[in-house]
Amino acid sequence: EVQLVESGGGLVQPGRSLRLSCAASGFTFDDYAMHWVRQAPGKGLEWVSSINWNSYTIAYADSVKGRFTISRDNAKNSLYLQMNSLRPEDKALYYCAKDIGPNLVPTALALDYWGQGTLVTVSS
Amino acid sequence: SSELTQDPAVSVALGQTVKITCQGDSLRSYYANWYQQKPGQAPVLVLYGKINRPSGIPDRFSGSSSGNTASLTITGAQAEDEADYYCNSRDSSGKHYVFGTGTKVTVL
Repeated sequence: EVQLVESGGGLVQPGRSLRLSCAASGFTFDDYAMHWVRQAPGKGLEWVSSINWNSYTIAYADSVKGRFTISRDNAKNSLYLQMNSLRPEDKALYYCAKDIGPNLVPTALALDYWGQGTLVTVSS
Repeated sequence: SSELTQDPAVSVALGQTVKITCQGDSLRSYYANWYQQKPGQAPVLVLYGKINRPSGIPDRFSGSSSGNTASLTITGAQAEDEADYYCNSRDSSGKHYVFGTGTKVTVL
């Protein structure tokens, strides 16, 4: 059974940092691209960042570029999101999601498994 | 703001057909995938690659596209189809992924 379990969320002051983790199991982690998607309370989905199977290709939304860093450790079956210079507008539920393929496709995201999310709150 | 626009809400009678649309200039070049999200749950992929349904998704879900509009059709809507639906594709620059604004589907 595929499982994605996010952790690392919490309450943080503006300008501070957090590191999110996603522990994957039930599939061959290094065969698939992985993604972070967030959802502010009561709002829609927002793509945040993507990384292909071998970390060669990485992409960020403009809203987080230069502040967030995605990474993965295939030996540990884990995905990470280092979030620096956090802003109140970064407050959201952050989902880790698995792609159906190994690379970032030039079309649309096909994310077949999602975690339950970890909540990030940015407030003073 | 999203470059993929969806109607905020649509309703459908039980057993009837509903079409959920997603509009954006990028859809002239890129297709859309579709996600269903029920309250308090993570999204679920319901359609990808224009016509493909993941395992476990009923065949009452189908997709189509024309010009700058992609559509998800539910033929014979069931009570369990009541949810928010999001399209996903590329933005107009083609550089980034983007989700649509979302449509809340109510089954009457």
